[in-house]
Amino acid sequence: GAVVSQHPSRVICKSGTSVKIECRSLDFQATTMFWYRQFPKQSLMLMATSNEGSKATYEQGVEKDKFLINHASLTLSTLTVTSAHPEDSSFYICSAREGISQYFGPGTRLLVL
Amino acid sequence: EDKVVQSPLSLVVHEGDTVTLNCSYEVTNFRSLLWYKQEKKAPTFLFMLTSSGIEKKSGRLSSILDKKELFSILNITATQTGDSAVYLCAVLIQGAQKLVFGQGTRLTINP
Repeated sequence: GAVVSQHPSRVICKSGTSVKIECRSLDFQATTMFWYRQFPKQSLMLMATSNEGSKATYEQGVEKDKFLINHASLTLSTLTVTSAHPEDSSFYICSAREGISQYFGPGTRLLVL
Repeated sequence: EDKVVQSPLSLVVHEGDTVTLNCSYEVTNFRSLLWYKQEKKAPTFLFMLTSSGIEKKSGRLSSILDKKELFSILNITATQTGDSAVYLCAVLIQGAQKLVFGQGTRLTINP
């Protein structure tokens, strides 16, 4: 199946700093990528839909100025958590769409101290 | 609001038992229903169901969709400790192509 990578896999940062997470589709082109957040013992919550060459579509309650998404090419989308706070600590997972299938990246565990 | 509800939220059984996990949904524009298994990292794909009444099988796992009653079940027979995981059900929304996830069922298989 198709492969999606995420980088970094784990990041620890101080409160107030910004963190960038990359999501890449390795062997296919993805016009649409999705960003999810998962808190401990909870399910995946869709944060935003990232479309190549256009602005991301954010789900209700997700601050677009705090979670900046850039989908600059058909194989790369980035999520930047700006001015991160401890409550942003979570597992961030991206997925890339190919046809009607979605392939998940391995996730990025963010810990904000 | 699109909603996916799984039950039970947690299940503990002994190795060799058979389990049935449930997923019901209420969405405006259904395309498909998907089952995933999540261990420590991101979910891994199990099944995609689009048509009612057609069972999909993969080894000891099987799943079926009922579009009239708006639910799906995931069966695991002869469970093994390696089946311990969170099983997630998600509905793919037509048009937006986004996945709406249920809360997950945490399955624990004891030896």
